[in-house]
Amino acid sequence: AQSVAQPEDQVNVAEGNPLTVKCTYSVSGNPYLFWYVQYPNRGLQFLLKYITGDNLVKGSYGFEAEFNKSQTSFHLKKPSALVSDSALYFCAVRDRGRRHGGSYIPTFGRGTSLIVHP
Amino acid sequence: NAGVTQTPKFQVLKTGQSMTLQCAQDMNHEYMSWYRQDPGMGLRLIHYSVGAGITDQGEVPNGYNVSRSTTEDFPLRLLSAAPSQTSVYFCASSPTGTFYEQYFGPGTRLTVT
Repeated sequence: AQSVAQPEDQVNVAEGNPLTVKCTYSVSGNPYLFWYVQYPNRGLQFLLKYITGDNLVKGSYGFEAEFNKSQTSFHLKKPSALVSDSALYFCAVRDRGRRHGGSYIPTFGRGTSLIVHP
Repeated sequence: NAGVTQTPKFQVLKTGQSMTLQCAQDMNHEYMSWYRQDPGMGLRLIHYSVGAGITDQGEVPNGYNVSRSTTEDFPLRLLSAAPSQTSVYFCASSPTGTFYEQYFGPGTRLTVT
């Protein structure tokens, strides 16, 4: 089975400070990993993904994430937070070798609310 | 290019009523899926489709039906609404066959009284 954990329901950070939103995963094989962002009353928007290659992945809006296989983590980071980054962030994982009825379905975490204070 | 559209945006139903949530995409994506979002639960997969005429169950399929007669449309039917189906429903589509990157609609907020 595949699963993903976002250990923090909420992260608070001051504008201009670096931010980290944590994600850990569990898969039986190798993972594909994703981050999405959801602004209030909107659908989710894709931020970035790790498929293979460089462990540091760069995505939209200045976000990046680091894949750490030994710690089974894929934390989302940004060097300098903006108030406009305040949103709900979801991590998702898919086992490369896992099929669900013949297809590959990612599992989403419960989400982390990021609040950036002016 | 409208992306993924969902109608209605809001809906209130009485217990036992049925309705269809509409989802359409104009990106010619093969894969489409329906999720429900509940506080503290994240996103849970209801049903998905890997192409016209092909659907399968997700994590929480009970009480819901889907069909995929065209590439563009993927409606979700609530057969007999229950208060436990009060949620926000999201439709998503994926440009490849592997759910690498999903494009989400704006959501439908459903309340069942």
